[in-house]
Amino acid sequence: KNEVEQSPQNLTAQEGEFITINCSYSVGISALHWLQQHPGGGIVSLFMLSSGKKKHGRLIATINIQEKHSSLHITASHPRDSAVYICAVTGTASKLTFGTGTRLQVTL
Amino acid sequence: DAGITQSPRHKVTETGTPVTLRCHQTENHRYMYWYRQDPGHGLRLIHYSYGVKDTDKGEVSDGYSVSRSKTEDFLLTLESATSSQTSVYFCAISDNTGRGTEAFFGQGTRLTVV
Repeated sequence: KNEVEQSPQNLTAQEGEFITINCSYSVGISALHWLQQHPGGGIVSLFMLSSGKKKHGRLIATINIQEKHSSLHITASHPRDSAVYICAVTGTASKLTFGTGTRLQVTL
Repeated sequence: DAGITQSPRHKVTETGTPVTLRCHQTENHRYMYWYRQDPGHGLRLIHYSYGVKDTDKGEVSDGYSVSRSKTEDFLLTLESATSSQTSVYFCAISDNTGRGTEAFFGQGTRLTVV
């Protein structure tokens, strides 16, 4: 079993829909990261969380430390949000462990 | 933008040749990582470093070696490249700072072994 599990693996949505991507982890962590990767592109850090909730524009990230679970929400989705979203955790020795990613496609 | 750069960004090499990829950071972060990204596998850890001359293996370390002789540089070497090492390689850095546990990522190196 992977230390970091994401769901769903693939997601298709229509423009304007509210999107949720989930991440569960099984290890103790010091922080959780949500990352974005456009096709053929580099990896961009969207959020770093150790508790609670963060919001940036149409993106919202939450984390529940007790349940070892985090969610990334996208409100009013747009085709430019189409990308792979990756959850990563920093555990012992600040070592980064990644989930396998969620491929999001937003259509017009 | 965070100070992390990878070089080269693209490389084509022949089977059996040695290849070295470089990750350079200007953030003075303690931890540096090399990952490979392949379809269906996500990002898999090859090796990581927790300080100068301190390195450890990740889950897919066979065929790879690393060196970190100074804080800012982490080198990944394929001693004798094979076609199975065709992949996109990402470097990452992280550390605990006053802002929390920060992590930054390089732009990736696309390596093709022919």
